[in-house]
Amino acid sequence: GAGVSQSPRYKVAKRGQDVALRCDPISGHVSLFWYQQALGQGPEFLTYFQNEAQLDKSGLPSDRFFAERPEGSVSTLKIQRTQQEDSAVYLCASSLFNTMNTEAFFGQGTRLTVV
Amino acid sequence: AQSVSQHNHHVILSEAASLELGCNYSYGGTVNLFWYVQYPGQHLQLLLKYFSGDPLVKGIKGFEAEFIKSKFSFNLRKPSVQWSDTAEYFCAVMNTGFQKLVFGTGTRLLVSP
Repeated sequence: GAGVSQSPRYKVAKRGQDVALRCDPISGHVSLFWYQQALGQGPEFLTYFQNEAQLDKSGLPSDRFFAERPEGSVSTLKIQRTQQEDSAVYLCASSLFNTMNTEAFFGQGTRLTVV
Repeated sequence: AQSVSQHNHHVILSEAASLELGCNYSYGGTVNLFWYVQYPGQHLQLLLKYFSGDPLVKGIKGFEAEFIKSKFSFNLRKPSVQWSDTAEYFCAVMNTGFQKLVFGTGTRLLVSP
């Protein structure tokens, strides 16, 4: 597709349930990012991949959060034992290169609601 | 750690009014600066970006921003807003050596026709 695609668009999870969020970046994009956007806040960085390598996971809030990009294309963000504070929009972005001066393109996000 | 402040959380303007949205960041050094826009129901889109050179940057849809290094600021401006500019605007900063964007909390702009 022409843009970054995320699925599902909406996810309701019961507290304690595991969830998996998918991101299909723009074809050929080297860099992939995950951000978390809580209600009324700006996006906050979670993790960054360069191809299949996870180079920065400093933003992952706890060891319940895990991200992977095994073939350097599609990425999955997994949240184990979801808690109410995990409710947020999870945004994926990709960029063509791994240098600073390249634009990141964002997907529409997955809205996760934990009940 | 880098932080970004957007002072106006909600702005209401009439069409044809001028717009200025403030953005300040906390950490000096070499930075890349961005303004993103999110229209209702849509994804974040890049409005404009500053990497180096002329500190006055022009973006899409008539927006511009000025980088003032001494003030750690990157304010967004538009001389005459339109109803279609109703959206949420995010300022973001990227520090040298890091790939991640640090975003402000956003400004919701409502333009009344």
